[in-house]
Amino acid sequence: GENVEQHPSTLSVQEGDSAVIKCTYSDSASNYFPWYKQELGKRPQLIIDIRSNVGEKKDQRIAVTLNKTAKHFSLHITETQPEDSAVYFCAASRGYTGFQKLVFGTGTRLLVSP
Amino acid sequence: SAVISQKPSRDICQRGTSLTIQCQVDSQVTMMFWYRQQPGQSLTLIATANQGSEATYESGFVIDKFPISRPNLTFSTLTVSNLSPEDSSIYLCSATGTLNTEAFFGQGTRLTVV
Repeated sequence: GENVEQHPSTLSVQEGDSAVIKCTYSDSASNYFPWYKQELGKRPQLIIDIRSNVGEKKDQRIAVTLNKTAKHFSLHITETQPEDSAVYFCAASRGYTGFQKLVFGTGTRLLVSP
Repeated sequence: SAVISQKPSRDICQRGTSLTIQCQVDSQVTMMFWYRQQPGQSLTLIATANQGSEATYESGFVIDKFPISRPNLTFSTLTVSNLSPEDSSIYLCSATGTLNTEAFFGQGTRLTVV
């Protein structure tokens, strides 16, 4: 079955810096790669996703890149703000949407210091 | 976007008893899933709740321990049976809408077994 590895487990940056979180997956049939943000005590919320027919996607300060050949994808956050502090999870699934089950990475705790 | 209501939000249960968690979605959805999240850990899929048929369980999870119902397109329940302290965790319901969209999450149920 699918296995998703995520690094780093913890990331501390200064406000205004960039943050990069990387994930690798094992199932070459995976086609959908969402990123979720989970604040303490709250539900995971989708912040951006990418499908296998696209190499990069951007939404304001957030971008995701996908390298299907190498089976890895990354989350890039620019101009970080204290409210970006949270745990971020990558995930992978077959199919092009959340219709298929999601396999999650281990999570990255991002701390943005003012 | 779909709104998912999950209850109870938390409970403290005696070992050997059972807890049933309810998940209600405000619109018809295609797929519903149940996840477990240990504090500070990632999300692990328990099963896919199939409407009108038996749930599909992931490796390591069995129907006798985690019976699931999904009587219609907007409602599902997860029961955690014969509770032990190892079952203390957060249980999350997830659903994907019919319009080929992302997976949404309920707010979670924090279960403590004493």
